[in-house]
Amino acid sequence: DGGITQSPKYLFRKEGQNVTLSCEQNLNHDAMYWYRQDPGQGLRLIYYSQIVNDFQKGDIAEGYSVSREKKESFPLTVTSAQKNPTAFYLCASSIQRQPQHFGDGTRLSIL
Amino acid sequence: SQQGEEDPQALSIQEGENATMNCSYKTSINNLQWYRQNSGRGLVHLILIRSNEREKHSGRLRVTLDTSKKSSSLLITASRAADTASYFCATERPGTYKYIFGTGTRLKVLA
Repeated sequence: DGGITQSPKYLFRKEGQNVTLSCEQNLNHDAMYWYRQDPGQGLRLIYYSQIVNDFQKGDIAEGYSVSREKKESFPLTVTSAQKNPTAFYLCASSIQRQPQHFGDGTRLSIL
Repeated sequence: SQQGEEDPQALSIQEGENATMNCSYKTSINNLQWYRQNSGRGLVHLILIRSNEREKHSGRLRVTLDTSKKSSSLLITASRAADTASYFCATERPGTYKYIFGTGTRLKVLA
């Protein structure tokens, strides 16, 4: 079955620590996206990538970094510079101008 | 900033009733999409309506789009308890491949 896999489902970060969230897709989609969702809120765009080896900042990129070395993979690193990282993180992929397919998210909390 | 704003924020109805939720946006769009999110899960695409379309149906879903008012509505007919979820509209920012999601409507269908 084609889809998007996010891991881990739950992640805990210690102060000063960087953590990396994994996102893998086997849909052969060019575009991939990372969103942050806070309780009772909509999605805010962190980073997106339209093609391998290229990515752009979204609305709330500060404190986050990404890479796109392979078409299938778009990992997100939450750095220690992100002072309020507790949230639900969603990865999505799409063909341009088509609906996005989402993973099941990673819930990040601070220890 | 969020372009899409859903209304109402929360809706509670009895099984069998119809549920209507609305979305307003601020700029011109290529298309508008509706998504559903079950608690703690990723978003699932429901329906896409293009800017030159006025109405679209998919099963028990009916979406309308009024570009003059910059608004859309999602109607779920004969609701079921399984329809309990949050519903989001999303619009593509013109000239980009970035999507703006609204804050969502939380629908609860009582059995």
